[in-house]
Amino acid sequence: QVTLKESGPGILQPSQTLSLTCSFSGFSLSTSGICVSWIRQPSGKGLEWLATICWEDSKGYNPSLKNRLTISKDTSNNQAFLKITSVDTADTAIYYCARQLPGGFDYWGQGVMVTVSS
Amino acid sequence: DIQMTQSPASLSASLGETVTIECLASEDIYSNLAWYQQKPGKSPQLLIYDASSLQDGVPSRFSGSESGTQYSLEINSLQSEDAATYFCQQHHDYPYTFGAGTKLELK
Repeated sequence: QVTLKESGPGILQPSQTLSLTCSFSGFSLSTSGICVSWIRQPSGKGLEWLATICWEDSKGYNPSLKNRLTISKDTSNNQAFLKITSVDTADTAIYYCARQLPGGFDYWGQGVMVTVSS
Repeated sequence: DIQMTQSPASLSASLGETVTIECLASEDIYSNLAWYQQKPGKSPQLLIYDASSLQDGVPSRFSGSESGTQYSLEINSLQSEDAATYFCQQHHDYPYTFGAGTKLELK
């Protein structure tokens, strides 16, 4: 049974660094072909892909966030992480992590709400 | 970046009807397209992968097809539980991009 769960600070101030954790079970990030991605969704809006990390440690980032993103993983503890530096109010959103197979994002976490506010 | 132009933005249909949602890719994405369903307050759910393959557990009234860079999601025999927002997503190249979404309402 595959599950993923995101965790984060809930609320933070502009210019701070957002640190998110995705804890998962039912698969391993050391298995060939498996990746974990982060996607976000502002309230009432569409989906924005942020970053992906794969089993062999390759990474992909959305260039629209201008080098503010860092994705990493802890294979032993079945976790993936995302850091976003210099947040502002535009980063307020629900953040999802999802397992990615070659065909798409087949399992998603429940999402974690992050609010950036002074 | 590959742009995904999704249409319509919204539609209203009756139980039992058939609806089609389309996504136009700005370049060839070689069938690397997925469709997702999202209900209010819930995470997206994968319906179709690789343009036309049905994800395990998804009802067979959902189907996907392609013609060139145009991708379509068809829902046959609409059920009340199909009321949701639907997104397409290309995974051919970084940055992965989503369509803007189609909100399906049942009359």
